[in-house]
Amino acid sequence: HLQLQESGPGLVKPSETLSLTCTVSDGSVRSSSYYWGWIRQPPGKGLEWIGSIYYTGNTFYNPSLKSRVTMSVDTSKSQFSLKVKSVTAADTAVYYCAREPSSSDGFDYWGQGTLVTVSS
Amino acid sequence: SYVLTQPPSVSVAPGQTARITCGGNNIGIKSVHWYQQKPGQAPVLVVHDDSDRPSGIPERFSGSNSRNTATLSISMVEAGDEADYYCQMWDSSSDHYWMFGGGTKLTVL
Repeated sequence: HLQLQESGPGLVKPSETLSLTCTVSDGSVRSSSYYWGWIRQPPGKGLEWIGSIYYTGNTFYNPSLKSRVTMSVDTSKSQFSLKVKSVTAADTAVYYCAREPSSSDGFDYWGQGTLVTVSS
Repeated sequence: SYVLTQPPSVSVAPGQTARITCGGNNIGIKSVHWYQQKPGQAPVLVVHDDSDRPSGIPERFSGSNSRNTATLSISMVEAGDEADYYCQMWDSSSDHYWMFGGGTKLTVL
């Protein structure tokens, strides 16, 4: 059974960089059948797609966040990562990593999510 | 920019059918996916590509999509179906851009 697990600091100071990593249990990060995405959810609000990455390193970002977001993939560790720079309180959210079949059928496996709070 | 519009809330009695809509301009020509999210949990994909169910999702969950409205239907609603539901679509006018609706809170009376 596939598992995705987010990891990273739960507290980030304003203006600093938020960094999260997602570890994929079955090594399928290197598969050509999937993209790997990050989605966030501010407390009490809806879902927002941040971006997706392919095993080749090709990235696709939400235009509203593109200037501050960087994603990367490390197939040797079965991990992919997210960085959001210059964070503000508006970046406080639960951050989820998820698997996205390349057939664009949605996100079929999700991590449990990790709360990141931006505060001094 | 494209917008997906969902009603904030829908209420239904147990055993009845809940219908949750997702409105968008010509959404009927696009593929829509639906997620269920219970409090404190990650979303779960319940319908993909308008009307297909992932393995393990009960047949009570079904979807349709036509013209300007996609609909998630849940028949024989149970207390355990109470959750937030989100529609999602790939905006093909951009290169790989996912959009979510604002979410609908389903309350089982």
